[in-house]
Amino acid sequence: EAGVAQSPRYKIIEKRQSVAFWCNPISGHATLYWYQQILGQGPKLLIQFQNNGVVDDSQLPKDRFSAERLKGVDSTLKIQPAKLEDSAVYLCASSPRTGATQYFGPGTRLTVL
Amino acid sequence: AQSVTQPDIHITVSEGASLELRCNYSYGATPYLFWYVQSPGQGLQLLLKYFSGDTLVQGIKGFEAEFKRSQSSFNLRKPSVHWSDAAEYFCAVGAEASGTYKYIFGTGTRLKVLA
Repeated sequence: EAGVAQSPRYKIIEKRQSVAFWCNPISGHATLYWYQQILGQGPKLLIQFQNNGVVDDSQLPKDRFSAERLKGVDSTLKIQPAKLEDSAVYLCASSPRTGATQYFGPGTRLTVL
Repeated sequence: AQSVTQPDIHITVSEGASLELRCNYSYGATPYLFWYVQSPGQGLQLLLKYFSGDTLVQGIKGFEAEFKRSQSSFNLRKPSVHWSDAAEYFCAVGAEASGTYKYIFGTGTRLKVLA
């Protein structure tokens, strides 16, 4: 069974530029999560989808971050414009349903200069 | 609000020695509990989980964890550490809130293994 796929693996941008990350969850998983992991910290949930609907985006900085999950499968996370403090690893995870075990992708390491 | 505390930021052990990583949580009811491992440049891999039932949980790679309700703890143990266990370990809590499950991760414990 294929795992959670993410791309790109690495991205370097300058502040005020925009960037987008892509996630393909495990087939059949209804729930998809985006986490931000700043160096030296644990992952922090940004947004949770159930199929193509948003369940929790309480910690998503909505002035600059946006995410969508069209057709309830793939998802994209966008940052526009990026700030220096957005430098982090962005992890995507999926689970069969809310409350079930999450499976993580390899992450995208973002560096904002 | 629920929280997760991993009091040890770094732990160093010798290869072959036993290991215990601490995790304490704060939540009104019994949450779902997880341990993940993260190697450099990798995503998180699930080691084990506790949902209910037997409080001693066996996981992959020889790890086990014990849920102690009275202490609000879910400590991870391994009887004999291998050099390949060097990584960062995260404890996580999943708890129901506002009709869905919210997951909170601890800040992690970085394990160094001496040859």
